[in-house]
Amino acid sequence: DAGITQSPRHKVTETGTPVTLRCHQTENHRYMYWYRQDPGHGLRLIHYSYGVKDTDKGEVSDGYSVSRSKTEDFLLTLESATSSQTSVYFCAIRQDGDNYGYTFGSGTRLTVV
Amino acid sequence: EDQVTQSPEALRLQEGESSSLNCSYTVSGLRGLFWYRQDPGKGPEFLFTLYSAGEEKEKERLKATLTKKESFLHITAPKPEDSATYLCAVRARTGGGNKLTFGTGTQLKVEL
Repeated sequence: DAGITQSPRHKVTETGTPVTLRCHQTENHRYMYWYRQDPGHGLRLIHYSYGVKDTDKGEVSDGYSVSRSKTEDFLLTLESATSSQTSVYFCAIRQDGDNYGYTFGSGTRLTVV
Repeated sequence: EDQVTQSPEALRLQEGESSSLNCSYTVSGLRGLFWYRQDPGKGPEFLFTLYSAGEEKEKERLKATLTKKESFLHITAPKPEDSATYLCAVRARTGGGNKLTFGTGTQLKVEL
C-alpha cells in the first residue's frame, strides 16, 4: 500500500481564519490531488500537482491555494475559511501505471463555525 | 465537460439478494473507468479499472462490466460486509493531470 497520511484528521476553525491541511506520501509519486466530498456532490477536485512546484486548478479551486515544495508533501490552504468550506477533504496520489487510478488518504473533516 | 451519474442513490438488499449498480458517463474519450468502495469515515478504496466496451473484471462477489455509455457493478449473493458506498469515476483522454471525475455514489446496505 502507498503510504499516504493526512493531517489533521479533524479540525474546527472559525470563519475568516486561514487553515492548512497537509498530505504526506512516502513513495515519491509524481501526481497528488486534493478533493472535497460533500453530500449530493460527491468528490470534487480542488487542486492537483504534477511535480514539485507544479500545480493546477480543479473545478472548485476558489478560496483555496496549494503548495508543493517537496515531492512528499502537498499542502492545501484555505486562505480565509468560510462555512461553505465545511467538508471532508481527501488527498490522493496516482499510482504508477494506469490500472489503479488513485490511492486516497483517510481524509480530514473540517468544520468552519 | 465530463459527467458521471450513478443510480440508484441508495439500495437496500437482503443477504443473498443479487443486484446491480449503474454508472452512466459522458466523457471526451474514455481512458479508464474506475470503481471504488468507500466505508464510513474512510477514503475510497480501489476496486476495478475498465478500459474498453465489453471488458469485465471480477473480485469475489463483485463483477464490473463496461459499455460505451455505462458501467454496471453486479453484486452476487451479497453479505452484510458488502455494505458501503460504491463510487464510479472516469478519466478522459483529453485534458492534463490524469484527473478523475467522480459520480455521487450508490450507498448499499445489505441486511441479514
